[in-house]
Formats: sequence, structure tokens, C-alpha cells
Amino acid sequence: GAVVSQHPSWVICKSGTSVKIECRSLDFQATTMFWYRQFPKQSLMLMATSNEGSKATYEQGVEKDKFLINHASLTLSTLTVTSAHPEDSSFYICSARERSLETFYEQYFGPGTRLTVT
Amino acid sequence: SQKIEQNSEALNIQEGKTATLTCNYTNYSPAYLQWYRQDPGRGPVFLLLIRENEKEKRKERLKVTFDTTLKQSLFHITASQPADSATYLCALGYWDNQGGKLIFGQGTELSVKP
Repeated sequence: GAVVSQHPSWVICKSGTSVKIECRSLDFQATTMFWYRQFPKQSLMLMATSNEGSKATYEQGVEKDKFLINHASLTLSTLTVTSAHPEDSSFYICSARERSLETFYEQYFGPGTRLTVT
Repeated sequence: SQKIEQNSEALNIQEGKTATLTCNYTNYSPAYLQWYRQDPGRGPVFLLLIRENEKEKRKERLKVTFDTTLKQSLFHITASQPADSATYLCALGYWDNQGGKLIFGQGTELSVKP
């Protein structure tokens, strides 16, 4: 149980275009979803937190107009990188937290999406 | 400033030995701490959680300790196997008005040689 999927697993796009990444909780309802970014050999950096049905909360330094997050249902969140540039090339990982007191501390991570902007 | 530091150097050990990974932090007061495993090109996989009022947790060959006075967590893998080779991440958990959040260390790469 507690499986999180991401789609696509990798994407290459041209500079200036937008890319949408989907994150789904497959067998549980996720009240909260998180989006992280990871550069090679570096730590996961939290970009934003989203709760179902409300606006995402962005971490300091993350441009909300560039990284659009939608959490329309308890099983789906999307991250759209708008007007992508080569410096946005990175590994984007989502995670989800279940609506359960027993597992409230646990975040389940997706497999990640490799974005390359040319 | 706030910092989380894991062994920066890769850890190379022989199969069957115990691997010990360190996570030190400054200027944080985490409510809980988690350890994750990450394989290349994959998302992290949850291993163990330990809360601030707990000293030690075990799960099969894994053991984690949490010393809030020293601001340190140790992660042990006993009877290590080549399949344990991966990057291990520690993550500090804290509460804010969004619920719980995690701050990750940069990870330690473990290589277990047969």
C-alpha cells in the first residue's frame, strides 16, 4: 500500500515552454502533497505544500507564478513549470501524506520526474 | 544558521559489517526525525521514524538513535549486504500551520562490497 506515482518519469522540453507533472496517490487519500526539487548530489529542497482544495504554500525563494501547483482532489496534484529555462532542469519529486492519525508522520514519495530544458 | 549535516564522504564497508551513518543538526528543534533510502534516479523510500521523546528504534537489521541533547541521530545497518548500497537521507520533521514538514540532509552514499 501507500504508493505514489508520477507522470511523466522524464521529459525534455524547449526553453520557454510549459511542462506539467502529475502526482497521484494510488491507494490512499492524500490530504497533503509536497513538491521537492533535487539537483545532482544535493539534498531534496521543499518547494511547496498543497492541501486538497486550497492554495499551495510556497517556500521562501520559490516563484509561485513559475511553479503552479494544483491539488484538485485527494489523489492528484499537479506541478506546472511555466516558461521553463535550462536552470529549471532538475529532478522533481512529489510526496503525499495520508489522512490518518497512525501514519500522520509518514510521507510517501513518488519515483520522481527528470526535467531537462534545452 | 540552521544546518543538517550527514557524512559527506561516501561510506565503503565490507559485506556483513555494520554500517553507521551520522546525521547532525544545528539550530533546529525537530519533533521527529526520519531516515530514507534513495537509489539513483528514484524517489526516497521511507525506512524509519523516531520521535523526539524516543531514544532508539529498530526494524529488522536497521536501528536508529536520536539524541536531542547532542542534536544527532545515528543510523545503523547490521549484517550489511551489497543490496544495501544506496544513498541514505536523514530528514528532520517539524510542525507548522501546514502540518508536518521535512527538511532533508544531503545524504550519505553507502557502498557495501561483497
